[in-house]
Amino acid sequence: GAGVSQSPSNKVTEKGKDVELRCDPISGHTALYWYRQSLGQGLEFLIYFQGNSAPDKSGLPSDRFSAERTGGSVSTLTIQRTQQEDSAVYLCASSLDGRRVFFGPGTRLLVL
Amino acid sequence: QQQVKQSPQSLIVQKGGISIINCAYENTAFDYFPWYQQFPGKGPALLIAIRPDVSEKKEGRFTISFNKSAKQFSLHIMDSQPGDSATYFCAAGNMLTFGGGTRLMVKP
Repeated sequence: GAGVSQSPSNKVTEKGKDVELRCDPISGHTALYWYRQSLGQGLEFLIYFQGNSAPDKSGLPSDRFSAERTGGSVSTLTIQRTQQEDSAVYLCASSLDGRRVFFGPGTRLLVL
Repeated sequence: QQQVKQSPQSLIVQKGGISIINCAYENTAFDYFPWYQQFPGKGPALLIAIRPDVSEKKEGRFTISFNKSAKQFSLHIMDSQPGDSATYFCAAGNMLTFGGGTRLMVKP
């Protein structure tokens, strides 16, 4: 079956522009997670959705970051007024049981 | 606050050797401890996981050892192969608090 998909796979933008990153979770998975991975670094938790609700937004690094999930499926992570330090790989993951978590391939964001 | 500490940051092992990666956690409420494997350009993939009611779990060449009293768990890769060269992450809890990762290189 299809796994978690993310788009775009790569995004280059200019400092100050807004970007939207999309995640399509595995069908039927109620939990959805966003993480950020800087070059050669670990995984930084950003936000978690259960259905369309986000009970844990504690990882969002600033108010420039926001995320939404509609229909209990697709999620969008939006970064406003991008900064160079936002350059990273943004990973989306989904889970049916909150245990086995399946990751997408990531979106590589480069802010010039 | 880093709730899961992983070591070493990098590891070089000869083919056929044993690779050992360690993690320590702080939150005793954690009840699920997975290991993920990540190849360059790919997302992490679940490798093996353990619950705190068992002390060891083995799947093929991969074994997790769990020490609840010490709040530590480790990944052992037996008969390490060049194809095992990847970055390994431990994690804990429902929200998947991740360790900092270990970059493993297995030399032929």
